[in-house]
Amino acid sequence: GAVVSQHPSRVICKSGTSVKIECRSLDFQATTMFWYRQFPKQSLMLMATSNEGSKATYEQGVEKDKFLINHASLTLSTLTVTSAHPEDSSFYICSARGDRGRNSPLHFGNGTRLTVT
Amino acid sequence: GENVEQHPSTLSVQEGDSAVIKCTYSDSASNYFPWYKQELGKRPQLIIDIRSNVGEKKDQRIAVTLNKTAKHFSLHITETQPEDSAVYFCAASYGGNEKLTFGTGTRLTIIP
Repeated sequence: GAVVSQHPSRVICKSGTSVKIECRSLDFQATTMFWYRQFPKQSLMLMATSNEGSKATYEQGVEKDKFLINHASLTLSTLTVTSAHPEDSSFYICSARGDRGRNSPLHFGNGTRLTVT
Repeated sequence: GENVEQHPSTLSVQEGDSAVIKCTYSDSASNYFPWYKQELGKRPQLIIDIRSNVGEKKDQRIAVTLNKTAKHFSLHITETQPEDSAVYFCAASYGGNEKLTFGTGTRLTIIP
């Protein structure tokens, strides 16, 4: 079945540094990927929709200059948290739609737990 | 935009009993309703989904029902087992898998 790989699974960084998270569709092409953020014991909140070859669409309240998204190929989307602060500590999860069109289910990556010290 | 409410937030049932989790949605245009199971620190896993042209769908011990008029849908797990313990999220979207809006989650605990 379709597999989405996310890397790294855990990252600890110092305040003010930037962190890049990769999301890859391993055995299918994903024209659209979604980035979610999940705080402890809370739901998944959509941050942005990443479209291959075009600019990402950000949800209201998400700073596009802080959360940079690049979807340069049909199998890779990256999320860069710039100038990270402790409040950015969270679980970030990407997802991608399979390549069977609109009826394809979403497949999630394993998530990245970001801790900013 | 879409708003999805989910109840209860926590649910404990005896092993072998049934568990029911309910969700309501606000956007009548939503037509796709998946359910995800998430274990601690892991990715959400799709366990079942239903589209608006269907009222009920079943897969072994798991079933989902949809009431379009009332805009609510429910997850039913029968003959619960300890491995069913996890957090369950409902979600809704329009047009298939575009921009899923998730419910707040239900922490299900199966008591042996």
